Amino acid sequence: DAGVTQSPTHLIKTRGQQVTLRCSPKSGHDTVSWYQQALGQGPQFIFQYYEEEERQRGNFPDRFSGHQFPNYSSELNVNALLLGDSALYLCASSRYPGQGYEQYFGPGTRLTVT
Amino acid sequence: SQKIEQNSEALNIQEGKTATLTCNYTNYSPAYLQWYRQDPGRGPVFLLLIRENEKEKRKERLKVTFDTTLKQSLFHITASQPADSATYLCAPTSNTGKLIFGQGTTLQVKP
Repeated sequence: DAGVTQSPTHLIKTRGQQVTLRCSPKSGHDTVSWYQQALGQGPQFIFQYYEEEERQRGNFPDRFSGHQFPNYSSELNVNALLLGDSALYLCASSRYPGQGYEQYFGPGTRLTVT
Repeated sequence: SQKIEQNSEALNIQEGKTATLTCNYTNYSPAYLQWYRQDPGRGPVFLLLIRENEKEKRKERLKVTFDTTLKQSLFHITASQPADSATYLCAPTSNTGKLIFGQGTTLQVKP
């Protein structure tokens, strides 16, 4: 059983560009959450998707958007990239709250904005 | 605003000793509290979850306590091993499943 997978592993973009990151959840999971982790910090919650809808959102600007597909996979889009967006982006899958709370994380996508 | 505090300095202990990590939170009443382990360059790995009505939970060499009055959780690793060296993250969790992570405590176990 494959765990959570993310692509790409690493990405280098230029300030002002747009980026799309992808995530496939663990088998049996229907909820996907995205986190941003700066160096030396804990992951910061961006948003959570369930049934193809954004259910919760953290304190991130509208430049950060997402999507969930019928097969539960998800994308994170970031527009108008800033240098401060450089971070490790983590995807985590789980069963919908109430059915399980532990989250299973992917290896992350390292985004560098120059 | 919600604030999660973990030992900011790295914890260095000798192999075989018990490591104790602290997590304090303010302006928050989580229904659950989770602990994760993170190795460099990798995603966090779930270790334990404790509910607000539970005082203590154990799993093999791991023990977690949850004091909702003190707004604190303690995470213990007994008989520590060099392989336990990693960053440990606490994450108070709401009923909606939203995790708020602390900055993590780095544990170094020396042989």
